[in-house]
Amino acid sequence: AQSVTQPDIHITVSEGASLELRCNYSYGATPYLFWYVQSPGQGLQLLLKYFSGDTLVQGIKGFEAEFKRSQSSFNLRKPSVHWSDAAEYFCAVGARDDKIIFGKGTRLHILP
Amino acid sequence: DAGVIQSPRHEVTEMGQEVTLRCKPISGHDYLFWYRQTMMRGLELLIYFNNNVPIDDSGMPEDRFSAKMPNASFSTLKIQPSEPRDSAVYFCASSLRDLSHSYGYTFGSGTRLTVV
Repeated sequence: AQSVTQPDIHITVSEGASLELRCNYSYGATPYLFWYVQSPGQGLQLLLKYFSGDTLVQGIKGFEAEFKRSQSSFNLRKPSVHWSDAAEYFCAVGARDDKIIFGKGTRLHILP
Repeated sequence: DAGVIQSPRHEVTEMGQEVTLRCKPISGHDYLFWYRQTMMRGLELLIYFNNNVPIDDSGMPEDRFSAKMPNASFSTLKIQPSEPRDSAVYFCASSLRDLSHSYGYTFGSGTRLTVV
């Protein structure tokens, strides 16, 4: 069965520093991969998605993610974080029967 | 487009009462999903519909939970009777599938349910 692992529950970075959030997935075929962001009291918003082609995908708010099939990873990156990036981030994998499976999330804290 | 609309935003009810959560998906979307989010279990898929038909309800925790989608623009999630352990944020999401299943989901803002 497909699954998603986000090994870091909390991540703290200083404003202006670079960011990498880790995501590993388990899936039998070529996955559809997603990153979502959830601000406090809000629903989840799609940041970016991958399903074929270039393994480096660009998303909204300056985020990017790289699909590495050999490592079963889809890590999210941003070169310089802003205080407004503090939120919870969810990695997700698409399944054949149309369900998307979400990871447990990584909460990002930003130090001023 | 107003996005996925959920109501109410907050619900506080007493144990044993019936609770009904509502969702209006984005017009034209053919999939609708109900999720529950808690600190302990994260985001759990409860049930999803395709063209108003329930496809997979294996995530519905027990018979106290039921969901309906009488038409393409409305769905309800009902808990009867409610229990304190049902306290969570319930999200509705909708999506439009093309052949490559590439759109991802659009989420509503959620209903925060507190059962006392």
